[in-house]
Amino acid sequence: DAGITQSPRHKVTETGTPVTLRCHQTENHRYMYWYRQDPGHGLRLIHYSYGVKDTDKGEVSDGYSVSRSKTEDFLLTLESATSSQTSVYFCAIDAGGVNTGELFFGEGSRLTVL
Amino acid sequence: QKEVEQNSGPLSVPEGAIASLNCTYSDRGSQSFFWYRQYSGKSPELIMSIYSNGDKEDGRFTAQLNKASQYVSLLIRDSQPSDSATYLCAVNHSSASKIIFGSGTRLSIRP
Repeated sequence: DAGITQSPRHKVTETGTPVTLRCHQTENHRYMYWYRQDPGHGLRLIHYSYGVKDTDKGEVSDGYSVSRSKTEDFLLTLESATSSQTSVYFCAIDAGGVNTGELFFGEGSRLTVL
Repeated sequence: QKEVEQNSGPLSVPEGAIASLNCTYSDRGSQSFFWYRQYSGKSPELIMSIYSNGDKEDGRFTAQLNKASQYVSLLIRDSQPSDSATYLCAVNHSSASKIIFGSGTRLSIRP
């Protein structure tokens, strides 16, 4: 199994506070993704990265920023959390190599914004 | 129009029957197509990938692709209760390294 861990796994925060979710991989994969999952919407792509310092926006990037200063870490930041960002966040790596689409997911981070 | 569309279900199929899950996509330049399975409260896991028109079989699973109709399907033969899950269709967008998912179809296998 590709080693991928997300932290924190659960977080409750208040509207207006900053939140950072971390995705860490041990396999040196180039492509990493952040998705959010909400009932009725499936998985929606927030941001993705194709290398250190190389990132791009997905379908629902407003209100989110990302950083990738090292191959193994992909950080998702909510600068000022809102209740609409209450969701389950999944990080994924492209386990098949370079942009194969064969994603391996972390266990998810459940974020509640009050 | 959503880029990847699936019927949300629930789709109820008797044990031992064939379950048929469908997906359409809008980006005509897409080249790679995937089916993921997600059990309740768990992460999605890849079960099938398909890249060319036609059928691809893996055990009880068959993925079918028709690029002209922009249609992907997943057949599950001899359905088992353990197949009860949400099935997510995903497409590799042609213009970027984006993997776009449909909203998923919930499948329930009844004994």
